Amino acid sequence: AQKITQTQPGMFVQEKEAVTLDCTYDTSDQSYGLFWYKQPSSGEMIFLIYQGSYDEQNATEGRYSLNFQKARKSANLVISASQLGDSAMYFCAMREGGGMDSSYKLIFGSGTRLLVRP
Amino acid sequence: GAVVSQHPSWVICKSGTSVKIECRSLDFQATTMFWYRQFPKQSLMLMATSNEGSKATYEQGVEKDKFLINHASLTLSTLTVTSAHPEDSSFYICSAPLAGGRETQYFGPGTRLLVL
Repeated sequence: AQKITQTQPGMFVQEKEAVTLDCTYDTSDQSYGLFWYKQPSSGEMIFLIYQGSYDEQNATEGRYSLNFQKARKSANLVISASQLGDSAMYFCAMREGGGMDSSYKLIFGSGTRLLVRP
Repeated sequence: GAVVSQHPSWVICKSGTSVKIECRSLDFQATTMFWYRQFPKQSLMLMATSNEGSKATYEQGVEKDKFLINHASLTLSTLTVTSAHPEDSSFYICSAPLAGGRETQYFGPGTRLLVL
């Protein structure tokens, strides 16, 4: 069975510094997708970044990058130049199978609460 | 980007009543939608997969007779919490995948349910 593990319930980072949020996963599938979502206090889920299991390069989206280490089954999120608005819950999620087909369910990790200090 | 809406955003009801939550994909069609539940300080837990024109698929431990799902059109799925009780108080959030999109599912803004 697939599983997502986020071992950091809470993290602090100084404004303008970089921070890494950890995520490890377990799956027997060869084809899968990994995602990071941001959830501010309003509750909405904001998509940040996606990494496919067959993607050879680490995904990047602006200040977000995903450190994908397939052999270690880890997909850590790196946020560079942290901003106060980055304070939120961050969830790692995995979708098994599908490739480009996105109609497969997501399984979420327990989340990491990030607090950016001014 | 794709937009998913939910209605209502907040609902407070008495124990024993039923509550209907709507999830709409506003600018795309979704043959599949997903319903999640999130208790305070916890993660999102998938409740069920809503399939247009067919029965929903429920996750283990989710009572299908209590959480009725109807996906009557390609842009609308509804979740009805029947005979709601205080333990059903939670944040309910839906998502809809954009076919062919790498970025998978777009989430609605969520519905906060409080059962008194």
